[in-house]
Amino acid sequence: GESVGLHLPTLSVQEGDNSIINCAYSNSASDYFIWYKQESGKGPQFIIDIRSNMDKRQGQRVTVLLNKTVKHLSLQIAATQPGDSAVYFCAENTGGFKTIFGAGTRLFVKA
Amino acid sequence: GAGVSQSPRYKVAKRGQDVALRCDPISGHVSLFWYQQALGQGPEFLTYFQNEAQLDKSGLPSDRFFAERPEGSVSTLKIQRTQQEDSAVYLCASSVTGALSHEQYFGPGTRLTVT
Repeated sequence: GESVGLHLPTLSVQEGDNSIINCAYSNSASDYFIWYKQESGKGPQFIIDIRSNMDKRQGQRVTVLLNKTVKHLSLQIAATQPGDSAVYFCAENTGGFKTIFGAGTRLFVKA
Repeated sequence: GAGVSQSPRYKVAKRGQDVALRCDPISGHVSLFWYQQALGQGPEFLTYFQNEAQLDKSGLPSDRFFAERPEGSVSTLKIQRTQQEDSAVYLCASSVTGALSHEQYFGPGTRLTVT
């Protein structure tokens, strides 16, 4: 994804609402996609992943959707909580050693 | 159990100094990754170890960067003759199996500031 430097895309949601964070990827050869959550001062934390032969995968309160036709990935968080406030990164992997991270989206949850 | 730890958490170096950053992965994890994260951006891959073997170092930005994992556990990232553009957070991650295990566990990072 294109870097936006210090000005990360931001999503602001009300506590209890659902959040949808979107990501566009560029490499059609990528076969694994991963979502990470990063809180201030911490390293990224794995949330959920999806293989390219799937279009949907659900976890606890999270759902990842993959649309290979338009190279789009989304993360849906149900009943968003204040503890969900963080920067969210999508990442892609072509099956090798290198994972490519996007620029991130900052999620603010209003109480 | 203990997660991935990194030390120091913060490092200030004068331009031209050498620095060494340490990573203690989760015990028994085969894979170890180093990333560089500039302010406001996503992590960028630097290098990958499978046990003690460095299988990919294509992300190291210059020959001033060197990483090692001699016994297949602790790893050190060394930066020689630091430059201001080296200022970033350096993240280490480990995973239990080889590269296709995508659940990487990240440490808190070392914030390097070069003045």
